[in-house]
Amino acid sequence: DSGVTQTPKHLITATGQRVTLRCSPRSGDLSVYWYQQSLDQGLQFLIQYYNGEERAKGNILERFSAQQFPDLHSELNLSSLELGDSALYFCASSSGLAGVHEQYFGPGTRLTVT
Amino acid sequence: KNQVEQSPQSLIILEGKNCTLQCNYTVSPFSNLRWYKQDTGRGPVSLTIMTFSENTKSNGRYTATLDADTKQSSLHITASQLSDSASYICVAQTGYALNFGKGTSLLVTP
Repeated sequence: DSGVTQTPKHLITATGQRVTLRCSPRSGDLSVYWYQQSLDQGLQFLIQYYNGEERAKGNILERFSAQQFPDLHSELNLSSLELGDSALYFCASSSGLAGVHEQYFGPGTRLTVT
Repeated sequence: KNQVEQSPQSLIILEGKNCTLQCNYTVSPFSNLRWYKQDTGRGPVSLTIMTFSENTKSNGRYTATLDADTKQSSLHITASQLSDSASYICVAQTGYALNFGKGTSLLVTP
């Protein structure tokens, strides 16, 4: 158990809909990262927050947005969903901003868009 | 473009045997090289993290090597166990970004 929690575990929704994925980092970790893992792709970095502020952006679509709240939990919002958005979405947390800080991954949310 | 290539794509070995997984990366500027183990349907778990000044790092039966000049890394697994069956992912960090390889899928059979 990494100490990172994600809800829900599974989500099935229709195209065009909007969903929110939630992540609670390990106690004391200030950084939260979001990743997408599709069947035919490796893990793709989406976005990073540090202590409530966005610090880095990766391959995140404009239909996707995220935020980190004062209690440090984070939410990833996916809107106008398409079939291709079906994937595993992982959240990770670390104590630092960058460098060699260990990243601890949550169990993931499996999103299926039908 | 930052890239991380892993080989082989998949590997089957007998329990108790050793194996070595390869990783080539082209990222700039290079910060560190990580190896993760990911069981099917679960989050990745960190095995090792190496900066450019480190040549080798061990974590139990896992030993990672790094050649920053040739931009190559390897992960050696000694005396494999059935529980080693997983995907092994090489990650090259540059700045804030982690660049992931597609992984090597390892199956250890009895």
